[in-house]
Formats: sequence, structure tokens, C-alpha cells
Amino acid sequence: DIQMTQSPPSLSASVGDRVTITCQASQDIKKYLNWYQQKPGKVPKLLIYDASNLERGVPSRFSGSGSGTEFTFTISSLQPEDIATYYCQQYDKNFGPGTTVDIK
Amino acid sequence: EVQLVESGGGLVQPGGSLRLSCAASGFSFSSYWMHWVRQVPGKGLVWLSRMNGDGSSTTYADSVKGRFTISRDNAENTLYLQMNTLRAEDTAVYYCARRGLYYYYLDVWGKGTTVTVSS
Repeated sequence: DIQMTQSPPSLSASVGDRVTITCQASQDIKKYLNWYQQKPGKVPKLLIYDASNLERGVPSRFSGSGSGTEFTFTISSLQPEDIATYYCQQYDKNFGPGTTVDIK
Repeated sequence: EVQLVESGGGLVQPGGSLRLSCAASGFSFSSYWMHWVRQVPGKGLVWLSRMNGDGSSTTYADSVKGRFTISRDNAENTLYLQMNTLRAEDTAVYYCARRGLYYYYLDVWGKGTTVTVSS
């Protein structure tokens, strides 16, 4: 089974800051990496698929990059409504452990 | 409106069984791979199982292989998860989710049903 790791486990940043989360796969997953946002008490929401494709309706401040085993998720300018836990997922299976983002 | 609604959760004793259901509406259910994902409150998402559109292909996470069985009834637009030999660590919110038609992502999620395994 392919294992996913994420770093950092949590971060605190100011509104307007650039935020970066990394995700690593234990094997080559080509471009098949998704990013989800889960706000407290809510269902996960797809943000990015195939490593870098923005889901329809998702603000452009969210972006993703990478391939193979190393991937990056970026929020270019953190907004208060971005407070959430972010998960990566390989293909349509295992998720990373999540990164919780809050406002400093 | 595309919708997934889970049901069947509840309190069950260790060693017991439970069958979860996920009613789908608003899309061509038989065309889509469907998944089960669970989450212990306050913890991360854990992928459990998937089934293809016609029910001929299934995959399971190692943690539930041999204990959980995914199935579907396309005539009823319903996905199931039969859970046997339940353990305290199976206590979680269980979500069903739809995989994108041509992509490896989960684009539609239900609101979840809660399973509590306790004596």
C-alpha cells in the first residue's frame, strides 16, 4: 500500500500570508494527487486534483504542484475562511494525515 | 441535485455487525465508482473501500479487509457497507463518496453516519 505523509501537521499564519503544505508519497503516484479542505463539522471538499488542477469554483489563491512522490499545496494569500484541515490523497485511495491551518 | 445520504449507523457491541447504506440521487449511479471513507472525530480521513459501477471490482484497505464488504444495488441507487466483527477502533463517522467519472478524485460526499462500537 502507498503511504502518504504531510508536513507540517499544523501551522499558524497571518491573514495575507503565503502558506505551503507538502505531501509525500511512499511510491511514485505520477500526477494522481488530490487536495481536500475540511472545515470543522463539515464534509471534505475537493480543491485540487491531478496535482495541479483547480476544481471548478475554487478560488485561485489555492494551487498545487508536483509529481512522482513530492507534492506541494499553496494558499497564496491566507484568508480567514481558509481555516481548515487540508488533506492530500493519492489516486482515489489513501489520505495523508492532514495539516491544520489556523490564523495567528 | 446530486446527493448522497448515508444511514444505518448506531451503537453496536464489540464483535457485532452493522450494515450501512448510502442512497444516491441526481446522477447516473451505475456509471460511477463509489467509496467509503471514515473519520474518527477530531482525527484524519481514512479510506476504506471502493466499488466500480457494475459491482464487478472492489478494493479494500488492509485495516478492514476480510471484515467489511462493499456492495451496491444499481436498481435502487444504493451503496452498502457490511461491517462484521466490529471493534472499538471502528468507532467513527462513515462517509460514502462518489469518484469523478474520468478522474481519480472524490467529488461528492454524503454527510456521514456515526458508528459507535461499545459495550
